[in-house]
Amino acid sequence: DQQVKQNSPSLSVQEGRISILNCDYTNSMFDYFLWYKKYPAEGPTFLISISSIKDKNEDGRFTVFLNKSAKHLSLHIVPSQPGDSAVYFCAASQGGSEKLVFGKGMKLTVNP
Amino acid sequence: NAGVTQTPKFQVLKTGQSMTLQCAQDMNHEYMSWYRQDPGMGLRLIHYSVGAGITDQGEVPNGYNVSRSTTEDFPLRLLSAAPSQTSVYFCASRRQGAGANVLTFGAGSRLTVL
Repeated sequence: DQQVKQNSPSLSVQEGRISILNCDYTNSMFDYFLWYKKYPAEGPTFLISISSIKDKNEDGRFTVFLNKSAKHLSLHIVPSQPGDSAVYFCAASQGGSEKLVFGKGMKLTVNP
Repeated sequence: NAGVTQTPKFQVLKTGQSMTLQCAQDMNHEYMSWYRQDPGMGLRLIHYSVGAGITDQGEVPNGYNVSRSTTEDFPLRLLSAAPSQTSVYFCASRRQGAGANVLTFGAGSRLTVL
């Protein structure tokens, strides 16, 4: 039973356009959400996070939106750059838990 | 500052062999963990530790042992390797109380069990 779902395995966008990566979760107890980016042959690196008390968090070109009623979050990258091409993982945790639950990941390709 | 260092980067084992994946961090992080990444499965938590002498199971602990004798090191042991343990393994750490679960990952160890 997958608690964090990234239903689209891949996304391809043109440089300069917006990339929207989606993530759904089933556990209503999750209260902290993160996005990690992973390049080939490297470990994942933290990108941006959001607490359930917020519905939006912005960091430069990256914005994460949280819709608690729909149990849905999305990562917007504007403008997309070729260097953003990577696998993006959505992750979630429950307050006080040491366990971070990851989605399957989505491969983003930004074409020059 | 090296961050999280994993060794070896690549390893091939035969079924039934044992081995230890090493993980060391130099950031004085209390929390350390091991994940495995399989195609189409994302990252799954194997074991974690919140400090020296304390370990606990994650989502997929079977077939793996861990110990935490120092803050810096968190080795993952496979006692009798099976083909199902073919995977890429990531070690990760963070400070306790850091932005919840903002983990720093190592570069990964790719294990193939024949």
